[in-house]
Amino acid sequence: ETGVTQSPTHLIKTRGQQVTLRCSSQSGHNTVSWYQQALGQGPQFIFQYYREEENGRGNFPPRFSGLQFPNYSSELNVNALELDDSALYLCASRPDRTHEKLFFGSGTQLSVL
Amino acid sequence: SQQGEEDPQALSIQEGENATMNCSYKTSINNLQWYRQNSGRGLVHLILIRSNEREKHSGRLRVTLDTSKKSSSLLITASRAADTASYFCATDSRAGGGADGLTFGKGTHLIIQP
Repeated sequence: ETGVTQSPTHLIKTRGQQVTLRCSSQSGHNTVSWYQQALGQGPQFIFQYYREEENGRGNFPPRFSGLQFPNYSSELNVNALELDDSALYLCASRPDRTHEKLFFGSGTQLSVL
Repeated sequence: SQQGEEDPQALSIQEGENATMNCSYKTSINNLQWYRQNSGRGLVHLILIRSNEREKHSGRLRVTLDTSKKSSSLLITASRAADTASYFCATDSRAGGGADGLTFGKGTHLIIQP
């Protein structure tokens, strides 16, 4: 058990729609990051939030956005869904900003039709 | 983009044998980590090795790091059926200042035959 929970587990959307994925981190984990994992690939870094502010971003377009809340929950929002957005989305948290051990949730499997 | 490349992509061995998987990366790093993933679900942290370390042990795991060759290896000794999973190396780039996430490889899929 990592203490990180994600919802929903699975989601099916249509191209062009918008989606919100949710994550609940361990208490005291001030940093949350989101990763996209396509089938057969390793996770790719989307962005990172530290104390409710984005402080790092990977090579993803602005239609990928996020929020982090004071209660250690966070959201990943994706607008104008494309077929290639179909993937497993993973949330990971840790107590500080260093890249020491990450605690991952079980992920949300998003399918875009 | 993915910095790390694991080798082999897939590995099948008998229970009780040792499993070795390798990882290569491209840039200077602060640390290198290994994670395990069962059936496409969440990743579990296994071990971290810092750039100034050469070898580290944790239970049945042994990881080595060669920064001159930009490579690492993970050894799992006395493998068990429950070790069947995908294993990923992930690097923390020194240039990133802690804000550009971990860079993962594509993973090694390990199958332990009972």
